[in-house]
Amino acid sequence: AQSVTQLDSQVPVFEEAPVELRCNYSSSVSVYLFWYVQYPNQGLQLLLKYLSGSTLVKGINGFEAEFNKSQTSFHLRKPSVHISDTAEYFCAVSPYSSASKIIFGSGTRLSIRP
Amino acid sequence: DGGITQSPKYLFRKEGQNVTLSCEQNLNHDAMYWYRQDPGQGLRLIYYSQIVNDFQKGDIAEGYSVSREKKESFPLTVTSAQKNPTAFYLCASRSSPGLAGVSGELFFGEGSRLTVL
Repeated sequence: AQSVTQLDSQVPVFEEAPVELRCNYSSSVSVYLFWYVQYPNQGLQLLLKYLSGSTLVKGINGFEAEFNKSQTSFHLRKPSVHISDTAEYFCAVSPYSSASKIIFGSGTRLSIRP
Repeated sequence: DGGITQSPKYLFRKEGQNVTLSCEQNLNHDAMYWYRQDPGQGLRLIYYSQIVNDFQKGDIAEGYSVSREKKESFPLTVTSAQKNPTAFYLCASRSSPGLAGVSGELFFGEGSRLTVL
């Protein structure tokens, strides 16, 4: 079985400051890894994904994430946030062995202060 | 443009009524999913379908039903047996991650917010 833990339910940061949203996962099989963003009253949009290859993945809106297999982590980072980054962020894993399920973390609400 | 359309966006229901949420996709995806979202709980899987005329229960299927008669459509019925149906419901689809060049990420609709009065 797989599980995803997002360690922070809320992260407040000042505008133009860097941010890191943490994600750890547990799985006995290889997994694909994803970060999604959700703006209020909308569906989720893909930010970035790790399938294989380079462990540093760049996504949309200046976000990037690093896959660390030994620490089973996939933390999301942005060097300088904007007010428009205010949203909820979800980490997710999908096992290679099963095309049927994607497991989501409980989400991290990012709030940007001017 | 290709995408997923959910309707209605907002829905109010009296206790004891069944309601059906629509989900249509034109992405030619095989797999479709229904998730329920409650504040602070992330997304919980209700039902999923990998192929027409076949579907499986997710983690919280009690009180819900689905059908998959067409590849493009995966409606969700919230029955009167669902004890706490007020929530935000999200439909999603994906291609199989096993296909060459396919990443397997989920594509989401805009969601349907159901409120029981």
